[in-house]
Amino acid sequence: GDSVTQMEGPVTLSEEAFLTINCTYTATGYPSLFWYVQYPGEGLQLLLKATKADDKGSNKGFEATYRKETTSFHLEKGSVQVSDSAVYFCALFDAGGTSYGKLTFGQGTILTVHP
Amino acid sequence: KAGVTQTPRYLIKTRGQQVTLSCSPISGHRSVSWYQQTPGQGLQFLFEYFSETQRNKGNFPGRFSGRQFSNSRSEMNVSTLELGDSALYLCASSLIVTGPNEKLFFGSGTQLSVL
Repeated sequence: GDSVTQMEGPVTLSEEAFLTINCTYTATGYPSLFWYVQYPGEGLQLLLKATKADDKGSNKGFEATYRKETTSFHLEKGSVQVSDSAVYFCALFDAGGTSYGKLTFGQGTILTVHP
Repeated sequence: KAGVTQTPRYLIKTRGQQVTLSCSPISGHRSVSWYQQTPGQGLQFLFEYFSETQRNKGNFPGRFSGRQFSNSRSEMNVSTLELGDSALYLCASSLIVTGPNEKLFFGSGTQLSVL
């Protein structure tokens, strides 16, 4: 079945540091890939997405490129801010079947950014 | 435009009781999905409804059920509560109905504690 693996966390950085959160996936079909962010006490917000190989999703300074050859979708940001502190989830949607409403999520990575 | 609204925000129940959670999707969204979030299992898909019909279901016991009304509002019910049902229950709605390229919008969740 489908699965998503995120790098072990938590991740602690100083403000303006470079961020990478690794994400790899296993899917039988041709998945769409997502990064969601969850701030304390809130639900998940879509951060960015990519629907096919070599697509780059970007939003709020975050980027991720859909790499089919390495089955990866790593999240990057050049300069993090304290306000980026949150939990980040990598997820996939298998567009090849009838997976209505079903996202497969990674375990989440807690990011803490210090001033 | 109002987001996905879940009620109640917090709920405390005892083992053996049943509980009903409510979700109002974004106006115009007809697909509603439910997820369970726990520290140990992460985010797991429960089920998805569209036009009052369950189209997809995750691997949860029959104690977990749901329904959708003609106005797209949805409820989920858990009967005979167990301690392990303590979790954040997230509802998500989607506009895309003609294909599997889902973009989900999540509510803030209902935090259920079973004592």
